[in-house]
Amino acid sequence: QVQLVQSGAEVKKPGSSVKVSCKASGDSFNSQSISWVRQAPGQGLEWMGRIIPMFDRIDYAQKFQGRVTLTADESTTTAFMELSSLRSEDTAVYYCARDGLGCSSTSCYVDQWGQGTLVTVSS
Amino acid sequence: DIQMTQSPSTLSASVGDRVTITCRASQSISGWLAWYQQKPGKAPKLLIYKASTLHSGVPSRFSGSGSGTEFTLTITGLQPDDFATYYCQQYNSFSETFGQGTKVEIK
Repeated sequence: QVQLVQSGAEVKKPGSSVKVSCKASGDSFNSQSISWVRQAPGQGLEWMGRIIPMFDRIDYAQKFQGRVTLTADESTTTAFMELSSLRSEDTAVYYCARDGLGCSSTSCYVDQWGQGTLVTVSS
Repeated sequence: DIQMTQSPSTLSASVGDRVTITCRASQSISGWLAWYQQKPGKAPKLLIYKASTLHSGVPSRFSGSGSGTEFTLTITGLQPDDFATYYCQQYNSFSETFGQGTKVEIK
């Protein structure tokens, strides 16, 4: 069983960037597939992308392409999500989550979630 | 992207009730559907994947069915702990998309 612990809340100015971390413990980090999902206040869930360190594979949702960067540090078993050119609409809770094992050929569900990181974008 | 539509948006029910939530996909997703439960201020929890497979540790009062474009989540014998918001998610096509959620409220 993997545990995912995320960094703390952030307050950012419009136009700036934010980097959220997600430390994994438990199962082998290298073999994990980590997705990032966000949730704006009172809204639903939105998938942003995934990273699979073992295969050096990174997928981004088209909506976030060019503005989000996913990375992973295997030495510290930590995944990172950096979102740039922040605007007020990016105010949300950002979750890292582990992808399940029974995925389709292109996509996946998640079976373990981090606690979430609130990012507030305000001038 | 595939659009996922849940109904109803809100559902009022009593403890012990049988509750059904529907999720429709804008195109066929075979059986690549998951259901999550979310409580206020908490991360979602996986309930069901592959349309009908119960995730480890999830009570058997939860069940899922469907394939193609129409799916249901059923809670048989609603418990106080079940009042929450439920989301469906398709993972047939890149990129994954979620339904807008169904809030199950106390009647």
